[in-house]
Amino acid sequence: KAGVTQTPRYLIKTRGQQVTLSCSPISGHRSVSWYQQTPGQGLQFLFEYFSETQRNKGNFPGRFSGRQFSNSRSEMNVSTLELGDSALYLCASCDRDNSPLHFGNGTRLTVT
Amino acid sequence: GENVEQHPSTLSVQEGDSAVIKCTYSDSASNYFPWYKQELGKRPQLIIDIRSNVGEKKDQRIAVTLNKTAKHFSLHITETQPEDSAVYFCAAIFPGTYKYIFGTGTRLKVLA
Repeated sequence: KAGVTQTPRYLIKTRGQQVTLSCSPISGHRSVSWYQQTPGQGLQFLFEYFSETQRNKGNFPGRFSGRQFSNSRSEMNVSTLELGDSALYLCASCDRDNSPLHFGNGTRLTVT
Repeated sequence: GENVEQHPSTLSVQEGDSAVIKCTYSDSASNYFPWYKQELGKRPQLIIDIRSNVGEKKDQRIAVTLNKTAKHFSLHITETQPEDSAVYFCAAIFPGTYKYIFGTGTRLKVLA
């Protein structure tokens, strides 16, 4: 099976712009989660989707949003980018609750 | 609140020695505890996990122990090798939340 695929791998944006990141989970996995990874804060939970429904959201401002499509692919969007949004954004999928997360390679976002 | 604390933040050991990383969690109802290894520039990868119905699990040089009463779990690596050098993250899932909370990570350096 192919692993979790995230595109693009790298993004450079300027403050005020918006960005959309994409994630394709492992085939058959219906749960997709997003995490923000920064050197000082570790892995911070953004949101989790299952069968197109957001089941939980982390403590991030409303500028961060996401969605999941019927084929389980997911996107996250960040609007009005700030310098502090620079981070590695990781997507992970799993096949059922309380099971291992399988991570993608991430999208490294740099905001200038 | 939902919290996972991880110690130490950095750990240096001589090749061949053992390494121990400890995590504590806040919700006594948590029932699944995975450990991830992240090498520089790569995705986090699951190395071992444990469920609340067992106290210890081993996989070759790696073991995890769980003390539900004290709400802590530990990763043990024996006979460390240079390729064990990486950042290790513990995590716990909080029932009904569909999200994993990660510790802040331990940077392990194995000195040859």
